[in-house]
Amino acid sequence: SAVISQKPSRDICQRGTSLTIQCQVDSQVTMMFWYRQQPGQSLTLIATANQGSEATYESGFVIDKFPISRPNLTFSTLTVSNMSPEDSSIYLCSVGQGDSPLHFGNGTRLTVT
Amino acid sequence: AQTVTQSQPEMSVQEAETVTLSCTYDTSENNYYLFWYKQPPSRQMILVIRQEAYKQQNATENRFSVNFQKAAKSFSLKISDSQLGDTAMYFCAFMVSGANSKLTFGKGITLSVRP
Repeated sequence: SAVISQKPSRDICQRGTSLTIQCQVDSQVTMMFWYRQQPGQSLTLIATANQGSEATYESGFVIDKFPISRPNLTFSTLTVSNMSPEDSSIYLCSVGQGDSPLHFGNGTRLTVT
Repeated sequence: AQTVTQSQPEMSVQEAETVTLSCTYDTSENNYYLFWYKQPPSRQMILVIRQEAYKQQNATENRFSVNFQKAAKSFSLKISDSQLGDTAMYFCAFMVSGANSKLTFGKGITLSVRP
């Protein structure tokens, strides 16, 4: 299975600032996704990171708030912009190939003060 | 749209005992996959077991097995010989075949294994 490195593992940020989270995979993968897990909650899909084109966002998530890049088949970034305390969550990168199960990075625990 | 329901928010089991975690789902699709993921306090999401909907045989991985009832849209996870390291949140998840790996998760259940 793919090895996924996600950075940073945690951060504490001030309201109004932005944080960029990186996801690096040790092999080329077709699909990369970004999930959010709010405290004590399940995982919610933010968007599908498409290589070479704009990300596909799920309902309730917009590009201005969560810009995503995917310059190649092994790397993606998620930016959380203009943060508020409500953005405090765990953000998880995941990868998949066709019908294979998703594999996840270790997540980024974000706290916004 | 697909929905995944885990109605038990938490469960507790004695070490070495067996515990069953429940999951139901709703879909109009015929070809799909079901998964159980484990999330320990380290927050790493770990794939526990996978079931293809077209297979009648229940999937088994060492101490973990599922009871897949397609007609009832039920997918429970049985953990045998529970170990302290099984303490974690467990999420049931659904994926439509050909949907490019997009997963829908249930709310999760917190399992505590008592020594």
